[in-house]
Amino acid sequence: EAQVTQNPRYLITVTGKKLTVTCSQNMNHEYMSWYRQDPGLGLRQIYYSMNVEVTDKGDVPEGYKVSRKEKRNFPLILESPSPNQTSLYFCASSLVSSGNEQYFGPGTRLTVT
Amino acid sequence: QKEVEQNSGPLSVPEGAIASLNCTYSDRGSQSFFWYRQYSGKSPELIMFIYSNGDKEDGRFTAQLNKASQYVSLLIRDSQPSDSATYLCAVGESGGYQKVTFGIGTKLQVIP
Repeated sequence: EAQVTQNPRYLITVTGKKLTVTCSQNMNHEYMSWYRQDPGLGLRQIYYSMNVEVTDKGDVPEGYKVSRKEKRNFPLILESPSPNQTSLYFCASSLVSSGNEQYFGPGTRLTVT
Repeated sequence: QKEVEQNSGPLSVPEGAIASLNCTYSDRGSQSFFWYRQYSGKSPELIMFIYSNGDKEDGRFTAQLNKASQYVSLLIRDSQPSDSATYLCAVGESGGYQKVTFGIGTKLQVIP
């Protein structure tokens, strides 16, 4: 089954404790992206990647890191999480040739206390 | 900051009616436009995309694009209670499509 998977689905952590949210897709998509979704603010793009070793900042990259060492994986790293990073996070992927019609993962709900 | 504007709603329509969802965008050079549906607690799901001026129909859904007015809309014919969800408008940036800006979404309620 073609899908985007994220882990963990739910995470409660404390300020400053480094964490990684994994994202993996099995559709051989070149493009992958991370979003956060907050009430009243909608979906905002954090980082995106056009292919392996090619990443770029979205609209809200502060406090986040990403890497793209393999085509199928695009982890999101929070080196020192803060409470304002409490949010619902989505990973998405698409084929470059498709015009960026994105498929979304199930989401990761992160709470930073 | 490129902007995509949507009325957050809720937009209430009776079952069987046409639901009209609207979206405006600020980047005149934008070239790709998407509508996603998001049920409560779920991830967004792509339902329509459009790249050229005019209408594009897929089943009960019609996307309309007017680049001169920087306006994109989604019509849902014969609305069903199962269409009740939040509809997100998304716009790909000019010069490529790497960056995508989403609107806050319009909540649609279809009343049986």
